[in-house]
Amino acid sequence: SSELTQDPAVSVALGQTVRITCQGDSLRSYYASWYQQKPGQAPVLVIYGKNNRPSGIPDRFSGSSSGNTASLTITGAQAEDEADYYCNSRDSSGNHPFGGGTKLTVL
Amino acid sequence: QVTLRESGPALVKPTQTLTLTCTFSGFSLSTSGMCVSWIRQPPGKALEWLALIDWDDDKYYSTSLKTRLTISKDTSKNQVVLTMTNMDPVDTATYYCARQGGDGYEFDYWGQGTLVTVSS
Repeated sequence: SSELTQDPAVSVALGQTVRITCQGDSLRSYYASWYQQKPGQAPVLVIYGKNNRPSGIPDRFSGSSSGNTASLTITGAQAEDEADYYCNSRDSSGNHPFGGGTKLTVL
Repeated sequence: QVTLRESGPALVKPTQTLTLTCTFSGFSLSTSGMCVSWIRQPPGKALEWLALIDWDDDKYYSTSLKTRLTISKDTSKNQVVLTMTNMDPVDTATYYCARQGGDGYEFDYWGQGTLVTVSS
């Protein structure tokens, strides 16, 4: 199956650590990438590969993977991190499905 | 500097065919490993990957939409074109094109998106 499953919503207290997860069979074979999307804006790549951050992405964002689960961790969440987060991966058929997205609220 | 820009009609009628163009700069789609995908997002909903074309002209389509989609490229014009047939109101969405320039096929650069409304 090429489906990726995310929790619809997660909240975190300002300055605390939050983990957003993504589950799918394809993640046993391929890394996930993670995207942040704020209202009215295009998504932005925040994590890709084993645990890589594009230039300009703060180092409080990190990624990990185990079995069929990929995780995005924000260590010391900031108010500006409040956004929707999507995971993506490819599958063996060449599809590139997205997860359903996780709405992160910073309290 | 990599940029992508989507263009196409803002409004289409049901049953019509949608044609969207992604015009990009700052990279060449003839470079080994380069790909461009189309992704859409209905209002208030999740991202949905639609199609990909790579430097070698290989094409991949969403399983659920493949009978309606065609992706093509014009390397000389730095453009990727997506056509979607038999449009329906449920296809109302913001359509994005995005570059995949890494080994992991991550979408590293995105266009700003174009909203397409399907209505009679």
